[in-house]
Amino acid sequence: AQKVTQAQTEISVVEKEDVTLDCVYETRDTTYYLFWYKQPPSGELVFLIRRNSFDEQNEISGRYSWNFQKSTSSFNFTITASQVVDSAVYFCALSEATGNQFYFGTGTSLTVIP
Amino acid sequence: DAGVIQSPRHEVTEMGQEVTLRCKPISGHDYLFWYRQTMMRGLELLIYFNNNVPIDDSGMPEDRFSAKMPNASFSTLKIQPSEPRDSAVYFCASSLRTRGRPQHFGDGTRLSIL
Repeated sequence: AQKVTQAQTEISVVEKEDVTLDCVYETRDTTYYLFWYKQPPSGELVFLIRRNSFDEQNEISGRYSWNFQKSTSSFNFTITASQVVDSAVYFCALSEATGNQFYFGTGTSLTVIP
Repeated sequence: DAGVIQSPRHEVTEMGQEVTLRCKPISGHDYLFWYRQTMMRGLELLIYFNNNVPIDDSGMPEDRFSAKMPNASFSTLKIQPSEPRDSAVYFCASSLRTRGRPQHFGDGTRLSIL
């Protein structure tokens, strides 16, 4: 069973639009960690944010914000006023307290059209 | 601070040749992970080490693949003999001991087997 589901395979938006990338996870652990990574066209994987299961506060960093809801097992990522530089593949990942592995979603490819 | 360093960045070789990918983790990190990324299968964990010891190699596809970590600052992933289906981007990542810490990725090696 897939532990991390990113149902949106590809999204296209026009510059300055807001966009939300969905992430749904599955775990039986009470302690776990969620991550978002960005993979721009140049190919590297860049760590964006980590949340632990005990902290449901939403977080904002500039144009980026994350909404963590345990009730729906979701950890969604919103980009406000999107820019062309936001074009990338975004991965959500889960790490459980009982192991050291990361479970990555299949990624959402975001294209921001100028 | 230096990030995870992988070499080479690109490798093109003929089927049947031996391929060696190299990785230098971030200093002080005691976990090291090897991943493979393809369009069809996404990001796959191949193997990971803790304190230079292989912990889980269940993701290694075949006996043609082997990985070593002779010391805390160096790891190799070897494919012998290589096949066209091994063509992919191979990433190395490292992280600190504490569970829930993010994995930091190298820039990857783009491998093409002709």
